[in-house]
Amino acid sequence: ETGVTQTPRHLVMGMTNKKSLKCEQHLGHNAMYWYKQSAKKPLELMFVYNFKEQTENNSVPSRFSPECPNSSHLFLHLHTLQPEDSALYLCASSQGEGSEAFFGQGTRLTVV
Amino acid sequence: GESVGLHLPTLSVQEGDNSIINCAYSNSASDYFIWYKQESGKGPQFIIDIRSNMDKRQGQRVTVLLNKTVKHLSLQIAATQPGDSAVYFCAENIQAGTALIFGKGTTLSVSS
Repeated sequence: ETGVTQTPRHLVMGMTNKKSLKCEQHLGHNAMYWYKQSAKKPLELMFVYNFKEQTENNSVPSRFSPECPNSSHLFLHLHTLQPEDSALYLCASSQGEGSEAFFGQGTRLTVV
Repeated sequence: GESVGLHLPTLSVQEGDNSIINCAYSNSASDYFIWYKQESGKGPQFIIDIRSNMDKRQGQRVTVLLNKTVKHLSLQIAATQPGDSAVYFCAENIQAGTALIFGKGTTLSVSS
């Protein structure tokens, strides 16, 4: 248990669905991240929030929409996804941006 | 392209052997490096880190070596055990205040 909890662990959704991924950290960290992990690729940084403010958006398509209501919670809203968006989505947090990141277990997303 | 990479996608060793996993990075300004371990169905977990003002750091059964001259990072695991089987990633912090950048993983398989 790393102190970062992601729900759901698994999600299957159709291309016309809207769903949300949730991440919660109990570590008192200021920075939170969304990473995408596809097979045979490095972890891809998607979004970064620092003190609830978005500081990085790595050219992520608008069908992915992050939300950070407070320093402990991070959401990823999904809308009109494509099959190639199927991947493991990992949330992480750290004390400061760029320091040791603690990861959740991830949400395994399958788009059908 | 990615800034951090690993030399071998897979490494197979016998239980009790020492394992060495390598990583090359391209940005000479990077000042902080981390090794992560990811077991099947889990998020990456911190193993050990090193700052650029050091060339070696030891943990329990693990040692990280940093060679800034050739921009090379390695993880040594002593007396490798079946529980060490996982995917290992190196990550770097290119600039203070920015998120970690990950390389492709090396899958370590330990046979008994």
